[in-house]
Amino acid sequence: KNEVEQSPQNLTAQEGEFITINCSYSVGISALHWLQQHPGGGIVSLFMLSSGKKKHGRLIATINIQEKHSSLHITASHPRDSAVYICAVRYSNSGYALNFGKGTSLLVTP
Amino acid sequence: NAGVMQNPRHLVRRRGQEARLRCSPMKGHSHVYWYRQLPEEGLKFMVYLQKENIIDESGMPKERFSAEFPKEGPSILRIQQVVRGDSAAYFCASSPVGPVTYEQYFGPGTRLTVT
Repeated sequence: KNEVEQSPQNLTAQEGEFITINCSYSVGISALHWLQQHPGGGIVSLFMLSSGKKKHGRLIATINIQEKHSSLHITASHPRDSAVYICAVRYSNSGYALNFGKGTSLLVTP
Repeated sequence: NAGVMQNPRHLVRRRGQEARLRCSPMKGHSHVYWYRQLPEEGLKFMVYLQKENIIDESGMPKERFSAEFPKEGPSILRIQQVVRGDSAAYFCASSPVGPVTYEQYFGPGTRLTVT
């Protein structure tokens, strides 16, 4: 069964802290996505990765294909970063479907 | 350049009625994806369409659900004879080329409530 596991499930941090959210998956993938879902429900695509590392502003995403693991880092966290962060993968053997993790709920307090 | 548009944003239907959810992709995008988010659950893939073609419908329930993306106009997700279990947020996303090489842009979602 193809599964996407995220940790932690919930995370509370103080403003300014460095945050790491982890995602692991079970079989070979062709792409991994990190998404952000705001409290109002809207979804924003943050990154799509197939190897290496990407950076956008205070967000950094890395992926280790051999270990089947990805991390999303937030530097200098801010209350506006409070959201649910979702990892999704497209498995090499499952056509076009994205398989989603359950999400990590992040709360950044002032 | 407007983002992905979905309407209606909220839809209330009684059991047995039909629900039609519309998705207008970003300008220049010819690939559309539909996802469902049940209450307290994660997102699930439903269907991937290109103009006039269904490419992957492996996540669609076998009955009552259908999707189309005509040559002109928005993509439509149609749910016939809705039941309470269909209550969920339905998101569509679009991309300019296929999902292998490009990220997807999400719409704001349609929240369907079946009473």
